[in-house]
Amino acid sequence: DIQLTQSPSSLSASVGDRVTITCRASQGISKSLGWYQQKPGKAPNLLVYDASSLESGVPLRFSGSGSGTDFTLTISSLQPGDFAIYYCQQYYRSPYTFGQGTRLEIK
Amino acid sequence: QVQLVQSGAEVKKPGASVKVSCKASGYTFTGHFIHWVRQAPGQGLEWVGWINPNTGGTNSPQKFQGRVTITRDMSIKTAYMELSGLQSDDTAVYYCARGIEFGDYVFSYWGQGTLVTVSS
Repeated sequence: DIQLTQSPSSLSASVGDRVTITCRASQGISKSLGWYQQKPGKAPNLLVYDASSLESGVPLRFSGSGSGTDFTLTISSLQPGDFAIYYCQQYYRSPYTFGQGTRLEIK
Repeated sequence: QVQLVQSGAEVKKPGASVKVSCKASGYTFTGHFIHWVRQAPGQGLEWVGWINPNTGGTNSPQKFQGRVTITRDMSIKTAYMELSGLQSDDTAVYYCARGIEFGDYVFSYWGQGTLVTVSS
């Protein structure tokens, strides 16, 4: 199975900060990677697919990049509603796996 | 608009089975795979399997094979996930999900989740 390792596991930041979360795959996955945001008690919300394509309706302050084994999700200027848990997911090969999550907290 | 509406919470004893439903609306049911993803309390996300509503074909990770059965009823646009041999570590919120318009394996639409609690 393809393992995804996110870093950091948790992160404290302030409104207006620029934040980057990384996701490393245990083997090359081309650009078959998505990023999700999850808030307590809610289903995940897709932000980015194919590593860098922004899902419809997602604010432009979110962006994704990378290919192969190394990927990043960047939030250019944190807003109060962005404090949540973020997950990456690979869909290059079954079983489709998720990273362990990055908890983004208010500093 | 696309909606996935799941059945309500379940409490089961160890060794029992549970069947969760996911009713789809707002799109052509046979046009997109339905996936199941679970999340144990305070934990991350785990893919459980998919069904192709058009053909009835399914796929699931090896760890669930023999225990998970995913089916659909096209007449009522509903997918089902049945998990047997329940143990305490199967306690989780189970979500159904659908892919983006041009990709079946990254999930843009999700059900509200169904909490399955396994307890003696």
